[in-house]
Amino acid sequence: NAGVMQNPRHLVRRRGQEARLRCSPMKGHSHVYWYRQLPEEGLKFMVYLQKENIIDESGMPKERFSAEFPKEGPSILRIQQVVRGDSAAYFCASSPSPNSEQYFGPGTRLTVT
Amino acid sequence: GIQVEQSPPDLILQEGANSTLRCNFSDSVNNLQWFHQNPWGQLINLFYIPSGTKQNGRLSATTVATERYSLLYISSSQTTDSGVYFCAVGGGSNYKLTFGKGTLLTVNP
Repeated sequence: NAGVMQNPRHLVRRRGQEARLRCSPMKGHSHVYWYRQLPEEGLKFMVYLQKENIIDESGMPKERFSAEFPKEGPSILRIQQVVRGDSAAYFCASSPSPNSEQYFGPGTRLTVT
Repeated sequence: GIQVEQSPPDLILQEGANSTLRCNFSDSVNNLQWFHQNPWGQLINLFYIPSGTKQNGRLSATTVATERYSLLYISSSQTTDSGVYFCAVGGGSNYKLTFGKGTLLTVNP
């Protein structure tokens, strides 16, 4: 059973460009979570999604960030008009049900130049 | 929200030594996980342990939910154990995990 997959593993964007991060959950998991690890700030929750629904986006910045988990295909975290402060590691996790163990992907390292 | 405190923040060991890492949390939880972030940045699941005791090889963990703490034990440490160990908790209707700041473990040969 393949684990959580994220791509790309590394992404470099210039200020003002868009970043698209993809996450494929483990087989059989319909719950997806995104977390961000900023230097010196630790790991923080961003958003929790089930298929076609955003359940909790309390950790998402109000502007430029959006997430989706369509019926078919991976979950996407989109960052529009990136700024240097968006440089971070973005982790996706999945679980088979709410409040069960979350399994993390390898992360996407975003660098904004 | 739930507060998570980990101690110690840093720990340096000689290979072969044992260690105990602690995680205190401020409210009742229904999810508690321990992770190891290796030097390449990957988060490795160690334990899912909202209560009770589990063991996996040289690692074991105990969560005393009523007293709001969890302990991670590492025995006979190896250099490959180096990295940051995170405790993360989730409580009530909150499905999100709240992470502690981690313990940076360095195991010297």
